[in-house]
Amino acid sequence: LAKTTQPISMDSYEGQEVNITCSHNNIATNDYITWYQQFPSQGPRFIIQGYKTKVTNEVASLFIPADRKSSTLSLPRVSLSDTAVYYCLVERRGSGNTGKLIFGQGTTLQVKP
Amino acid sequence: KAGVTQTPRYLIKTRGQQVTLSCSPISGHRSVSWYQQTPGQGLQFLFEYFSETQRNKGNFPGRFSGRQFSNSRSEMNVSTLELGDSALYLCASALGGGNTDTQYFGPGTRLTVL
Repeated sequence: LAKTTQPISMDSYEGQEVNITCSHNNIATNDYITWYQQFPSQGPRFIIQGYKTKVTNEVASLFIPADRKSSTLSLPRVSLSDTAVYYCLVERRGSGNTGKLIFGQGTTLQVKP
Repeated sequence: KAGVTQTPRYLIKTRGQQVTLSCSPISGHRSVSWYQQTPGQGLQFLFEYFSETQRNKGNFPGRFSGRQFSNSRSEMNVSTLELGDSALYLCASALGGGNTDTQYFGPGTRLTVL
């Protein structure tokens, strides 16, 4: 599976838009990009998933360029409660490798007042 | 719809003991995966169960085992506990049709081994 690389940490202020970029140079045709959010001592929470171009839901947007070698999670107008670790994952469909998510180190986002 | 539940939430054991953790998936979900999270190793996949069968397994020693019941509830067992087994153990459930389903995580069980 494609290895993902994302910044270890980021700081932001309340009300700002935050963009977290993840690189996955070896992404394959069957791979999807998924982002999870995790608060301390809680399980990860699914945020968004995409294959190409742009996906938007009530929480975030995910931008994936045509070559799919990177992706950017965009969080609009963050608040203090968005302080968490954000994980970028590459999920391969059809490989039979069921149930296994591979988490990297994630990006610790600190939102300041 | 109720989320994934895990019991107990906190557990303290001593070296050499064994422990059993329980996970109840979201209603209708048939796949349950287990993960270990430690500060040093991060989140690591243990195994996945579907229809009472282990369908996938990570790189953990045989001391770590699991099972799934006909109602999709799952248990994880760790025997002969070591200090390094102290971790947050997370389970996640999915519909289970394949490896394309979104996984929904429970709150975890914090295991401390003394």
